[in-house]
Amino acid sequence: DAGVTQSPTHLIKTRGQQVTLRCSPISGHKSVSWYQQVLGQGPQFIFQYYEKEERGRGNFPDRFSARQFPNYSSELNVNALLLGDSALYLCASSLGVGVEAFFGQGTRLTVV
Amino acid sequence: QQQVKQSPQSLIVQKGGISIINCAYENTAFDYFPWYQQFPGKGPALLIAIRPDVSEKKEGRFTISFNKSAKQFSLHIMDSQPGDSATYFCAAKDRDDKIIFGKGTRLHILP
Repeated sequence: DAGVTQSPTHLIKTRGQQVTLRCSPISGHKSVSWYQQVLGQGPQFIFQYYEKEERGRGNFPDRFSARQFPNYSSELNVNALLLGDSALYLCASSLGVGVEAFFGQGTRLTVV
Repeated sequence: QQQVKQSPQSLIVQKGGISIINCAYENTAFDYFPWYQQFPGKGPALLIAIRPDVSEKKEGRFTISFNKSAKQFSLHIMDSQPGDSATYFCAAKDRDDKIIFGKGTRLHILP
């Protein structure tokens, strides 16, 4: 069974650019969450989507946005990139709310 | 405010020894406490999890001990092996389904 898949695996962007990260959840999972993991820290919650509706948003600026598609895949968009946005962006999927979440390998974003 | 505090930051254990990582939380609304294992360049992998109505859960060499009154929980890795060398995160999930992670413990098992 395929786990959570994220693309691309690595990305280098310039300050001020925009980036779109993609996530495909485990088959049958309807909830997708996004996390940012800065080097040496634990992941920080950005967004959760369930059944294509936003269920939660972490303490991130409006430059961060996301959406979930009818097939439950998801995109995370970050506008006006800053050097501090350099991090591993993780997607997690779960069957629903209140159950185990499984993480993908992440997308390593470097902003130069 | 850090809602989940994890210690130690790093840990070195001899092969065959017991690795112990401790966590404390603030929010009594947390209702699910997972532990994740992360290898360099990989995403966190769910290791074991517990709910607050249970005081202990064991899966193979991994055991979670949970003290609800003290708002503390810990991970014990018995018979630690070099392959266990990784970063471990304790976490707590609130009723909004958001996972709050600790800062992580870098575990190194000496061969």
